[in-house]
Formats: sequence, C-alpha cells, structure tokens
Amino acid sequence: TQLLEQSPQFLSIQEGENLTVYCNSSSVFSSLQWYRQEPGEGPVLLVTVVTGGEVKKLKRLTFQFGDARKDSSLHITAAQTGDTGLYLCAGAKNYGGSQGNLIFGKGTKLSVKP
Amino acid sequence: DTEVTQTPKHLVMGMTNKKSLKCEQHMGHRAMYWYKQKAKKPPELMFVYSYEKLSINESVPSRFSPECPNSSLLNLHLHALQPEDSALYLCASSQDGAALGKLFFGSGTQLSVL
Repeated sequence: TQLLEQSPQFLSIQEGENLTVYCNSSSVFSSLQWYRQEPGEGPVLLVTVVTGGEVKKLKRLTFQFGDARKDSSLHITAAQTGDTGLYLCAGAKNYGGSQGNLIFGKGTKLSVKP
Repeated sequence: DTEVTQTPKHLVMGMTNKKSLKCEQHMGHRAMYWYKQKAKKPPELMFVYSYEKLSINESVPSRFSPECPNSSLLNLHLHALQPEDSALYLCASSQDGAALGKLFFGSGTQLSVL
C-alpha cells in the first residue's frame, strides 16, 4: 500500500511566522501536488512538481520536490490569516499507461491567528 | 470556464431513498472522478471515468452507481445508503489521466444519511 505521510498533522501559529509542512513516502511518484482545502469546499490545486529537486515559488509559498521524487515540502513565509486551511499533498502514480491515480496524504490543518 | 460544478450542495436522505449527485465541467477534460471525504480525513477515490468509460472502481459498494452520460457530465446514483455513507462527495476532472495530477475539484455535495 502506498502511503504519503504528512507532518505536522496540526499547526497553530501567529500571523507573520514562517512554517514548513512535510510530505514523505517510501514510493516514487511521477508527480506530486499540493492542495489547499477550506471547510465544506473542494481542494484547490496550488502547485504540481514533476522533476526531482524541483523548487517552485508561488508568492510566499515555496514548494520543493525531493531528488528521489519520494518527498516534498511546503514552506510559507510570513503567514497570514488567509493561509488558514487544510493542506493536502497528493502523489500521482501511473497504472501501466496514461491512466493514473492520486494518493492523498492525511493533511496538515493550519491555523494562523491574528 | 475553469469550474467543476456540483449539485446539490447539501443532501439529506433516508436509507430507503434513491437520489443522484450531479457534476459538470466544460473545460474539455476527458477524465472525471468521484471522491468521498469523511470529516478530518483526506479524499478517498471511488471511481474514475476516462473518455466516458469507467476505468477505476475502488471496490465501492453497489449502492453507489456512477454514470457518465457524456464527456461533460458525471452522475453518482445513490440507493439504500447507510448512515456511515454520510460524507462530502467530491467530483473532480483532469485533462487526461491523473498521471500529472492536475485535478480540478468541485465544491462537493455534503451528504447526510438518516
């Protein structure tokens, strides 16, 4: 069974602080995605990383894909209250062709307090 | 149009009822998905349709019956559900298979089974 382990599970910080969320697996993924989900809504895609060692920046968010394509991290600089939400990592694997499936981590629930 | 639209947003049904969840996208995506998400858990894949054909069924009980009338529409027919089936049901689409994992999610249908 493929597993994506996310840590920490919960994170409560003050506005302006920095934080890092980790996503680890023993499996190799063809790509890895980060989603943010608010209560009662569907996940919204933040970024997709494909190449081992890749780093992508989205304003205050920095995403990194491990060299071996088994792990990823999300770093938020100077967190804002609007960053509050559930952050999900998801790894994509192929099933013998173009058809694939996403494996979701359990998520990190982030709360940013004013 | 980059939206996946799900209806209804909320649904309450008894265990003897028959109801349907609907999902629509007009992005020209050829893969569509149903996910189930329990509170404080990550989404779990139920079904994948690729080019209007069912390609993945993750051992979902037969009381859930998916249907893909055309490339833009995806339905989930519900019959004789159990209270433990109460969850957020998410529809998603992607341009092709999930190999690159760029899934677009709808806002979900919050289902309560009484």
